[in-house]
Parts: sequence; structure tokens; C-alpha cells
Amino acid sequence: TQLLEQSPQFLSIQEGENLTVYCNSSSVFSSLQWYRQEPGEGPVLLVTVVTGGEVKKLKRLTFQFGDARKDSSLHITAAQPGDTGLYLCAGAGDSNYQLIWGAGTKLIIKP
Amino acid sequence: KAGVTQTPRYLIKTRGQQVTLSCSPISGHRSVSWYQQTPGQGLQFLFEYFSETQRNKGNFPGRFSGRQFSNSRSEMNVSTLELGDSALYLCASSLVLAGGKKTQYFGPGTRLLVL
Repeated sequence: TQLLEQSPQFLSIQEGENLTVYCNSSSVFSSLQWYRQEPGEGPVLLVTVVTGGEVKKLKRLTFQFGDARKDSSLHITAAQPGDTGLYLCAGAGDSNYQLIWGAGTKLIIKP
Repeated sequence: KAGVTQTPRYLIKTRGQQVTLSCSPISGHRSVSWYQQTPGQGLQFLFEYFSETQRNKGNFPGRFSGRQFSNSRSEMNVSTLELGDSALYLCASSLVLAGGKKTQYFGPGTRLLVL
């Protein structure tokens, strides 16, 4: 059974600080997606990484896919209150019919 | 292009009742997946439909069922509601690309409260 573990589960920091959240597995994924979800809404796709070692940047967010395609990280530089939300990672196996979801990291950025 | 829509957004039911939730996918998307989200359990996969056929099913009891229509709209039904069914129910539509790759786009969810 493929599992994705996200850490930390909860993070509360001050505006302007940097942070990194992790998504780890013992399984290999063909691709990995990161989503952000705000209260009362559905998750919104931020990025998809598909190549081992790939790094993608989305403004102050930097996403990295591990060389072995078993793990990923999300780094936020100079966090802002608007970054507050639940960050979810989801991995696609070989069939890609069903995504494997992490439990999420709840991020709070205090002004 | 309109996003994924779900109706109703909020619903209050009592134990023992049944409920039907609706999802309209993004135009052109033929795959619809349903998830249950609770604070302690995260996103739990219920089932996926593709071209009116259930393609995958999660580990939920038979009280949870779904279907997909020829226009790709999907419904899920929960019978004999229990208190533990209170959750946010999310629908996601996907465009399946060559090689089976897909990205899921979520609707806003239906918040179900069972009293």
C-alpha cells in the first residue's frame, strides 16, 4: 500500500519567516502534486512535479521532487498571511487512476 | 471555462435519513472522483467514475454509492446516515491525458452535518 506522510502536521509562524513542509513516502510516484485548501473550500492545485530532482517556483513558493521520486518539499520564502491554509500533497502511481493523498500540513501565518 | 460545481453547498440531515449530492465537472472532463474530508482523517477516497462506469472504489461501506450520467455529471448517495458521516464531501474532475496522466480540479464541496 502506498502512503504519503506529510510533516509537520501543523505550523504557526510569523509573517516574513521562511518555512519548509515535507511529503515523504517509501514508494515511487510517477508525479506528485501540491494543493492548497482554504477553510470551506476545495483544494486548489498549485503545482505538479514529474521528474526526479525537478524544482519548480511559483513566486515565493519553491517545490522540489526528490531524485528518487519518493519525496517532495515545499519551501515558502517570506511567508504572508495569505499563505495560510491546508497544504496537501498527492502522489500518482503508475496507473495514475487514483491519487494517494497525504494528511496535510495546516499552516497559519500570523501578521 | 466554468469550474467544478457542487450542490448543495450545505446540508443538515438527521440520523437514518439519506442524502444525494451532485457534482458537475469541468466541460470536457470525463473522470469524476469523490472524497470525504474530516479534520482528523484528511481526504478519504470514495470512488471514481469514468464514462458512466465506476473505475475505482475506496474503503467505504455500501451505504455510500454513486453514479455518473452521460453528460459526466455525477451524484453520490449516502443512505441511513450516521453521525460520523458529517464531513465535507469533495468532488474532483479530471481530464485524462495520454498515458493516463491526470490532474484533479476540485469543487467547493458540500458540507454535510448529521444530527
